[in-house]
Amino acid sequence: DAKTTQPPSMDCAEGRAANLPCNHSTISGNEYVYWYRQIHSQGPQYIIHGLKNNETNEMASLIITEDRKSSTLILPHATLRDTAVYYCIVRASGGGADGLTFGKGTHLIIQP
Amino acid sequence: GAGVSQTPSNKVTEKGKYVELRCDPISGHTALYWYRQSLGQGPEFLIYFQGTGAADDSGLPNDRFFAVRPEGSVSTLKIQRTERGDSAVYLCASSPTPWAGVGNEQFFGPGTRLTVL
Repeated sequence: DAKTTQPPSMDCAEGRAANLPCNHSTISGNEYVYWYRQIHSQGPQYIIHGLKNNETNEMASLIITEDRKSSTLILPHATLRDTAVYYCIVRASGGGADGLTFGKGTHLIIQP
Repeated sequence: GAGVSQTPSNKVTEKGKYVELRCDPISGHTALYWYRQSLGQGPEFLIYFQGTGAADDSGLPNDRFFAVRPEGSVSTLKIQRTERGDSAVYLCASSPTPWAGVGNEQFFGPGTRLTVL
């Protein structure tokens, strides 16, 4: 699976949009971009994933650049409960899939 | 419905002892994963099961670690001759299938915090 690079930490004001960047310049054509988050003392929680097109669900939006070398996770109206470590993960589709490869992620702190 | 559950939530043991950690996946999920998370790090993959068989155990650090899933549901991670370096949070996850793509997120349990004294 391709390697990802994320800033170690970010701050965002409550009520504002939080934009979390991820670089995955070596991504292959069959690899998806996944985002998970981990709130303190809990297991990771799936947020969203995508292949080429931008995606939106009830939690967030995922914007993938046209060359697929980077992406941005957007939390449109951040709340204090969004304080967590956010992991960007690249994972291949198809047979022989293994576990997720987590990096250190971005520690997002929502400020009141 | 019920999520992934793990027992115990905390386990304290002494160096050299044997421990078993249990994972109850979401009913009907065929894929089950074990991860280990050390302080300040992201989870590290250990092993994954497709049904009853271990499809990939490449993440197990050494032969002191072993996992089973005899009936394709509950799984047990077993650690022999524990060492202080085994102290970590052990996470279990399940998914409907092991493949990436639509509808295949992994659902994580709350983890078991293992402390080896």
